Amino acid sequence: DAGITQSPRYKITETGRQVTLMCHQTWSHSYMFWYRQDLGHGLRLIYYSAAADITDKGEVPDGYVVSRSKTENFPLTLESATRSQTSVYFCASSGYFGDKDRWYGYTFGSGTRLTVV
Amino acid sequence: QQQVKQSPQSLIVQKGGIPIINCAYENTAFDYFPWYQQFPGKGPALLIAIRPDVSEKKEGRFTISFNKSAKQFSLHIMDSQPGDSATYFCAARRYRDDKIIFGKGTRLHILP
Repeated sequence: DAGITQSPRYKITETGRQVTLMCHQTWSHSYMFWYRQDLGHGLRLIYYSAAADITDKGEVPDGYVVSRSKTENFPLTLESATRSQTSVYFCASSGYFGDKDRWYGYTFGSGTRLTVV
Repeated sequence: QQQVKQSPQSLIVQKGGIPIINCAYENTAFDYFPWYQQFPGKGPALLIAIRPDVSEKKEGRFTISFNKSAKQFSLHIMDSQPGDSATYFCAARRYRDDKIIFGKGTRLHILP
């Protein structure tokens, strides 16, 4: 199916464990993003990627690692999970119909609800 | 650093009323101002967007008003319905890298 998919949908992990959240998009969009959503903070950018093998830090990157070896995949890894990383994580992509005047915004995945115990 | 400020945090309106959500931005390098709607358990979805050279845009019952000199923009929902109950995010896109800066969101509840 076309679109952007995140997995898993729900995850419970223990403090100190490594966990990877997956994101896959089928449009070959150049830009991809990872956000976390917490009550009172809205959506905060963790990392973003302009293309395969090009990534950059967002507003709250500490404790997270990303990679993008293929355009369609953008996994997010919590190297050693902490309780403060309990959150809902959203992946998004953005692209164009031909040129920059026909940009159609971000498309978000359905999110991963992560609980660190 | 918060570059897009959104208010109010929450809003309760009777069915048929016109909720208004306001946003202000600080950076003039933004070139596109989208609004996103998010229902519980779902990701945000693009609702409507406007460019800074336009003062108003309507799509169905949703209207964006834009005041470039004041660096402010707002969302109006005409004839609001209980199904409009959701969290709304205003945002601003930075042209050079497509990065969107989001406001902190407004939880809207429309009473039946």
